[in-house]
Amino acid sequence: AQKITQTQPGMFVQEKEAVTLDCTYDTSDPSYGLFWYKQPSSGEMIFLIYQGSYDQQNATEGRYSLNFQKARKSANLVISASQLGDSAMYFCAMREGGDGQNFVFGPGTRLSVLP
Amino acid sequence: NAGVTQTPKFQVLKTGQSMTLQCAQDMNHEYMSWYRQDPGMGLRLIHYSVGAGITDQGEVPNGYNVSRSTTEDFPLRLLSAAPSQTSVYFCASTPPGGGGQPQHFGDGTRLSIL
Repeated sequence: AQKITQTQPGMFVQEKEAVTLDCTYDTSDPSYGLFWYKQPSSGEMIFLIYQGSYDQQNATEGRYSLNFQKARKSANLVISASQLGDSAMYFCAMREGGDGQNFVFGPGTRLSVLP
Repeated sequence: NAGVTQTPKFQVLKTGQSMTLQCAQDMNHEYMSWYRQDPGMGLRLIHYSVGAGITDQGEVPNGYNVSRSTTEDFPLRLLSAAPSQTSVYFCASTPPGGGGQPQHFGDGTRLSIL
């Protein structure tokens, strides 16, 4: 079974609008971490934001925030005030266990920001 | 600070050839991993290492070998290249401690097998 599901292969958003990229996960481990990475067309992987399973508040990093709904096992990425430079692939990933080395990635969502 | 360095950036091989993808990190990270990225499938873990002398298999290990003789280096060997191994390969390192420590990725190696 897929451990990380990203149901939106592609998304479009108008510049300056907000956009939500969906991520659902599956784990029976009570301790886990959720990560979002951005991959622009140049190919590098850029870490954006992290949410721990025990964190009480949703994570925020600048224009990025994570809408963490633990009971629904979802960790959606919200990008506010989209910019043209936000056009990229976005990957949701999960790390199981307190110190596990196994990161599992979703298939990604391609975001296109329209001028 | 160079971070994670992968070489080469591009490589074309013929079926049956062998080669080694190099990965080096200068952050003294204990954990290192190799992934392959194929369209529509995200990143899949090939092999990983939790420290020098210790390696383990990931989700898609067949056709690949690794070794970890030093903390800094984690080479990935293709024993007999096959067209199915055409992919983009990423090496990543992580400091120990778990929690919110993200993986640091190299820039990737784009490998084509003819």
